[in-house]
Amino acid sequence: EVQLVQSGAEVKKPGESLRISCQGAGYNFTIHWISWVRQTPGKGLEWMGRIDPSDSYSNFSPSFQGHVTISTDKSISTAYLQWSGLKASDTAIYYCARQTLGGEYFDYWGQGTLITVSS
Amino acid sequence: SYELTQPPSVSVSPGQTASITCSGDNLEDKFVCWYQQQPGQSPVLVIYQDSERPSGIPERFSGSNSGNTATLTISGTQAMDEADYYCQAWDSSTGVFGTGTKVTVL
Repeated sequence: EVQLVQSGAEVKKPGESLRISCQGAGYNFTIHWISWVRQTPGKGLEWMGRIDPSDSYSNFSPSFQGHVTISTDKSISTAYLQWSGLKASDTAIYYCARQTLGGEYFDYWGQGTLITVSS
Repeated sequence: SYELTQPPSVSVSPGQTASITCSGDNLEDKFVCWYQQQPGQSPVLVIYQDSERPSGIPERFSGSNSGNTATLTISGTQAMDEADYYCQAWDSSTGVFGTGTKVTVL
């Protein structure tokens, strides 16, 4: 069974760093792109960026370029989303999602990670 | 940047048809997919490549894409279909989600 299992909720202060994770199971992790999607409280979905686990190539939405980094560790089938300086406006639920092979849609999603940034 | 616009809300009576639109420039040149999100849950794919239905998605869900508008249609809407729906497409390797539509089954 394909699963994407995300790390747990975090409470951080503005300016702090954070890395959240998304571990794939039940499939060949290196052949499917992983995207990260933000959902702010009571609002819609925003595509942040994606990574190809086979070579770590990544691309980002202009809205998020330079504010977050995406990486992977193939040895443990895990993708990461990282901030070096959180802002209150980063408070949101973050989802990882698997992009289907040859397609342009997300066929599996993680359960989401709630990040709260507050002083 | 590319934008996809959806109506904020759609109301439908049980058993009737709900249509949710998604508008974007020359959208017919792109593949559109649709996700359903129940409260507190992760999104679930209900339509991909404009009109294809994943395994396990009921036949009452269908999709189309023409001109500048893609449409998700729910025929014979059931109470369990009450949820938020998002369209999604790609523009120059950048993912774009629609603004989202809340479907209320009255």
